[in-house]
Order: sequence, then C-alpha cells, then structure tokens
Amino acid sequence: DIQMTQSPSSLSASVGDRVTITCRASQGIGSSLAWFQQKPGKAPKSLIYAASSLQSGVPSKFSGSGSGTDFTLTISSLQPEDFATYYCQHYKSYPLTFGPGTTVDIK
Amino acid sequence: EVQLVESGGGLVQPGGSLRLSCAASGFTFSDHYMDWVRQAPGKGLEWVGRSRNKVNSYSTEYAASVKGRFTISRDDSKRSLNLQMNSLKTEDTAVYYCTSSISSGTGVDVWGQGTTVTVSS
Repeated sequence: DIQMTQSPSSLSASVGDRVTITCRASQGIGSSLAWFQQKPGKAPKSLIYAASSLQSGVPSKFSGSGSGTDFTLTISSLQPEDFATYYCQHYKSYPLTFGPGTTVDIK
Repeated sequence: EVQLVESGGGLVQPGGSLRLSCAASGFTFSDHYMDWVRQAPGKGLEWVGRSRNKVNSYSTEYAASVKGRFTISRDDSKRSLNLQMNSLKTEDTAVYYCTSSISSGTGVDVWGQGTTVTVSS
C-alpha cells in the first residue's frame, strides 16, 4: 500500500500569510494526487486534482504542485474562511489512501 | 448542479447490518467512479471502497478493513450507490460520505453531506 504523510501536522498563521503544506507519498504516484479542505462538522470539499488542477469554483489563491512523491498545496493569502484541516489523497492504485491532515488555525 | 445525498445511517449493535444509500443527481450516473469514504469521530478520512463506472462493469475495490463484510452496488434506475455493511464492529462507527469523480476521471471530486453510523451495544 502507498502511505501518505503530511507536514506540518498543524500550523498557526495570520490573515494574509502565504501558507504551504507538504504531502509525500511512499512511492511514486505520478500526478494522481488530490487535495481536500474540511471545516469542523462539515463534509470535505475538493480543491485540487491531478496534483495541480483547480476544481471548478475553487478560488485561484489555492494552488498545487509536484509529481512523483513530493507535493505541495499553497494558499497565497490566507483568509478567515481558509482556517480548516487539509488532506491529501493519492488515487494511483488501490487502496486509495489519505494523508493524516494538516490543521491551519489562527495565530 | 451535481449533488450526492446519503441516507440510511443509524445505531446498530455489533454484529449487525446496515445499508446506506446515496442518491446522485446532476451528472451522468453511469459514467463516473463513485466511492465511500468514512471518518471516525475525531479522526482523519479513510477510503472504504469504490464502484467503477458502467464501462468498467461497475467493478468494485475495497479497503482491507472492510473487505468481505461490506458490499458496494449501484441501482441505475434509482441513480443510487449503495453500501451494504454486515458484521459491523464498534470500529466501523463513523460518518460515511458518498463521493464521485467528475472532472478527475478516477479521483474524488464531489462529496455528499455524510450519514452517521454508530455501532454500539
């Protein structure tokens, strides 16, 4: 099975900050990676697929990059609505697996 | 508008069974892969299983933790994805989400609101 790790596990940031979250796969997955945002008590929301393609309706302040084993999610200017937990997931092979999540909270 | 609405959650005793359903609308149901994903209280996301699209005969894949106990099926006439859960364990307690690929092909693009399953005596 492919294991996904994320760093950091949590971070504190201020409104307007640029935030970067890293996701690493235990073996190469090409670009078969997605990012999701989840707020407390809510269903996750899809942000990015194929490592760098923005889902329809997702603001351009979110961007994704990487291929192979190392990936990043960047929020260019953090806004109050962006405080949430972010998960990566690979869909290269079965079982699909998620990273453990990165919680972004207010400094 | 693409929409997924889960139903069927509830309280069940260990060893019992439960059937979840997911009503899909706003897209061509048979064209897309659909998954079940769950989240135990206070924990992260866990992929449960997948139904491929009709071209791929709606074939299925499962996580090791549920294989042999859970079965995913589709009903084209109702545009419904189903999850039959047997031999339930306390560790199956979670919010269960229905998801669908739309833009990514084989990824997860759209989520339902979730339905809660509690396994307890």
